[in-house]
Amino acid sequence: AQKITQTQPGMFVQEKEAVTLDCTYDTSDQSYGLFWYKQPSSGEMIFLIYQGSYDEQNATEGRYSLNFQKARKSANLVISASQLGDSAMYFCAMREVSKYKLSFGAGTTVTVRA
Amino acid sequence: NAGVTQTPKFRILKIGQSMTLQCTQDMNHNYMYWYRQDPGMGLKLIYYSVGAGITDKGEVPNGYNVSRSTTEDFPLRLELAAPSQTSVYFCASRSERTGMNTEAFFGQGTRLTVV
Repeated sequence: AQKITQTQPGMFVQEKEAVTLDCTYDTSDQSYGLFWYKQPSSGEMIFLIYQGSYDEQNATEGRYSLNFQKARKSANLVISASQLGDSAMYFCAMREVSKYKLSFGAGTTVTVRA
Repeated sequence: NAGVTQTPKFRILKIGQSMTLQCTQDMNHNYMYWYRQDPGMGLKLIYYSVGAGITDKGEVPNGYNVSRSTTEDFPLRLELAAPSQTSVYFCASRSERTGMNTEAFFGQGTRLTVV
């Protein structure tokens, strides 16, 4: 069963605008962590932001923020003031406390237009 | 600081050949993982290890083997290469800290083509 669902295969955004990347997840654990990674065309995986299931505040890291809606099991990434360097593939991932592995979604490709 | 190092970066194999993808980390992480990423897709877990001497299968283990004799090294072995194993392979490691907010650190990837 798919644990992480990213329904947007590709998105275009104008430079300096904000973009929201959707992520929904499926778990029966009460304790879990949600992660977002960026993969530029060079191929490396870059950690962006983390949200814990018990965190009351939405996570923020610079221009990245996570819109966490626990009841809806969604953890959307918001990138504010998009830059050309934000063009990349973005992956949502989850780790359940009962398991050791990190499960990834299929990813969303973001293209920032000048 | 090296982090997670994978070798080789690129490799072309013929069908039926064998090879070992090397992965080493210098962060003293207990948890290590091997993922494969097919073109335009997400990462699928092949094998993982929670410490030296302990390994377990992930979602797509068929055709692969691993070993973990030391904390630092986690090699991935392909015994009889098949075209379906053409992919980019990522090794990752993670700290065993209490709490959930320990992100995985990834190597640069190995691009493998089986012809």
